[in-house]
Amino acid sequence: GIQVEQSPPDLILQEGANSTLRCNFSDSVNNLQWFHQNPWGQLINLFYIPSGTKQNGRLSATTVATERYSLLYISSSQTTDSGVYFCAVEETGNQFYFGTGTSLTVIP
Amino acid sequence: DGGITQSPKYLFRKEGQNVTLSCEQNLNHDAMYWYRQDPGQGLRLIYYSQIVNDFQKGDIAEGYSVSREKKESFPLTVTSAQKNPTAFYLCASSPDWRGWGQTPLATNEKLFFGSGTQLSVL
Repeated sequence: GIQVEQSPPDLILQEGANSTLRCNFSDSVNNLQWFHQNPWGQLINLFYIPSGTKQNGRLSATTVATERYSLLYISSSQTTDSGVYFCAVEETGNQFYFGTGTSLTVIP
Repeated sequence: DGGITQSPKYLFRKEGQNVTLSCEQNLNHDAMYWYRQDPGQGLRLIYYSQIVNDFQKGDIAEGYSVSREKKESFPLTVTSAQKNPTAFYLCASSPDWRGWGQTPLATNEKLFFGSGTQLSVL
């Protein structure tokens, strides 16, 4: 199956700082989603972004499908942003493949 | 409210025992999935189903079984053949089913998750 790599694996930020998380994938994809997993294990949809740029409040994402990567930007980080961020891609056949995630800790 | 319900939240398995994890959705989604998450790891696909009465193996199907008799339900059985079952299990669903040769849906194709079941071995 398709390979998905996320970087960095761990990130510690001071509250108010900005950050960029990266997702590289090994082949063409039909879909790409970013998720936030909260401390209770729940995965929350952040963006559905197979291509282009989207923004939602302090979060934005850009996918450059031709170069096989996506970026998630977090601005003015807050402690509630802590958790694990996953990128998931779908090629054909309705199978979604996940990266190993970026664990974010925001310190007050 | 529409959503995906997983139960139980915590489950304990004895040696040699089969256990079944429940996943129900009322989102009218065609596709459903089971993922396994180990500590500090990403999600790995166990099984998925694109339509009722059909399911496919994912990357780590050995030791697991599923059924899809109803659109709303996709239970996962962890059999005694699964020697390392301790993990967090996540069920998901998607509104899109894309059969080979069909035009894919262009909008709002998303993957939605339940709240998970933590399975531990006694």
